[in-house]
Amino acid sequence: GQNIDQPTEMTATEGAIVQINCTYQTSGFNGLFWYQQHAGEAPTFLSYNVLDGLEEKGRFSSFLSRSKGYSYLLLKELQMKDSASYLCAAMDSNYQLIWGAGTKLIIKP
Amino acid sequence: IAGITQAPTSQILAAGRRMTLRCTQDMRHNAMYWYRQDLGLGLRLIHYSNTAGTTGKGEVPDGYSVSRANTDDFPLTLASAVPSQTSVYFCASSENSGTDTQYFGPGTRLTVL
Repeated sequence: GQNIDQPTEMTATEGAIVQINCTYQTSGFNGLFWYQQHAGEAPTFLSYNVLDGLEEKGRFSSFLSRSKGYSYLLLKELQMKDSASYLCAAMDSNYQLIWGAGTKLIIKP
Repeated sequence: IAGITQAPTSQILAAGRRMTLRCTQDMRHNAMYWYRQDLGLGLRLIHYSNTAGTTGKGEVPDGYSVSRANTDDFPLTLASAVPSQTSVYFCASSENSGTDTQYFGPGTRLTVL
């Protein structure tokens, strides 16, 4: 079957760095998406990786290893506004997104 | 307006009633999607439309129907609501189907009693 695994919850300190891991198993693969979702709000797009390696976008970076079925989202210089859930989603051979349950990130001052 | 709007914001519905959730986008996107989000689960695709006039079934289509009469609107209908359809429903759109980024509406919180 198709499956996405990511930690349920993580805690980090303001100003620090945090890495949120995601492993996936899908029928075919057409890329890996990361979205941010604040409580009670819609998911918003953060990044898309389809090739192996690291993509950097400001304070956020995303990494993909296709051979390992693994991705991570790296958040640097954490701010209180980064408190949110981070959703990992892999696109399967039918171009449908398979979503993880999300990682709730708690930032402490 | 800019982006995607959904209506209503929230609704409490008696089991057995019919309900239509509305979704409108003004970005002229070809593809649109309906997801449900339940606590502890990932978003699950209900139905999708790659272009006006076509629709397809997602992972959890039973009990739901959609139509795509034009580019902008993609309503989701629950013909006879059941308590297991209590969820938060998100509509999304992308410029085209495939790997284009999906943009989400604000969601509708539906409670079926």
